[in-house]
Amino acid sequence: EAGVTQFPSHSVIEKGQTVTLRCDPISGHDNLYWYRRVMGKEIKFLLHFVKESKQDESGMPNNRFLAERTGGTYSTLKVQPAELEDSGVYFCASSQGTWTVYGKNIQYFGAGTRLSVL
Amino acid sequence: AQKVTQAQTEISVVEKEDVTLDCVYETRDTTYYLFWYKQPPSGELVFLIRRNSFDEQNEISGRYSWNFQKSTSSFNFTITASQVVDSAVYFCALKGNAGNMLTFGGGTRLMVKP
Repeated sequence: EAGVTQFPSHSVIEKGQTVTLRCDPISGHDNLYWYRRVMGKEIKFLLHFVKESKQDESGMPNNRFLAERTGGTYSTLKVQPAELEDSGVYFCASSQGTWTVYGKNIQYFGAGTRLSVL
Repeated sequence: AQKVTQAQTEISVVEKEDVTLDCVYETRDTTYYLFWYKQPPSGELVFLIRRNSFDEQNEISGRYSWNFQKSTSSFNFTITASQVVDSAVYFCALKGNAGNMLTFGGGTRLMVKP
C-alpha cells in the first residue's frame, strides 16, 4: 500500500512568486493534515481536512496560504505570493479516522516538500 | 496551551550503546495522547508509538522501549544496543483533548557511529 506522497520534494522560488504543493494521502484516508517546519523551529500544524471540508484551519499563518481538497482526494497548498519566511519543510499527513475511532486515528506522514524562497 | 520539550538537540553514541531520548510535555487536558516519530534521512516521519494518558504501562518493542510517567510529565524513549540504522531525527508529539492537531517537540538528532 502506498504511503502519503508529496510533490515536489524540493521547490526553489523567488520572493513574490507562487508555489503549489501537492499531497496524495493514503487511499481510503478521509483525514488530511498539513504541517510545516520552518528553520530551527518545531513542526507546526496548519490545517485539517475531513474529506473535502476544512475541519480546522487555525494554524494557517495568513491569507497568502490557500489549501484545497477537491473531491476529498488529494490536496494542494498554494502560497501566493511567497515570502522569505515561508521557507521550510511542508509535511502532509493522513489518518483513516479521527480521535473518536480508536486505532484509526494515527497520522501517517509524507516525506515533505522543502520550500526555499530566495 | 500545550508544549512538548525535547531538551537534547543532538546525541552521538557508538554502536551497541544504549541511548535514551527525553520528552517532557505540558498540557492541562486530563485526556491526551503522546507519540514518537522517527525521521530517517529519506525525510518521511515514521510512526513508532502512541500512548494515551490513562495507560502508564511501559512498552517494549524489540530494541525500543518507552517509559511514560505522568508524575513527571515525561515520555522517554530508549533504544537498547543501538545500531547505525537508528540514526535519525526523533520527534515526540502530543495531541490534547480538543482538535486533531499534533504538537511537536523540536526533535532530537541521534547519530550512531560504527
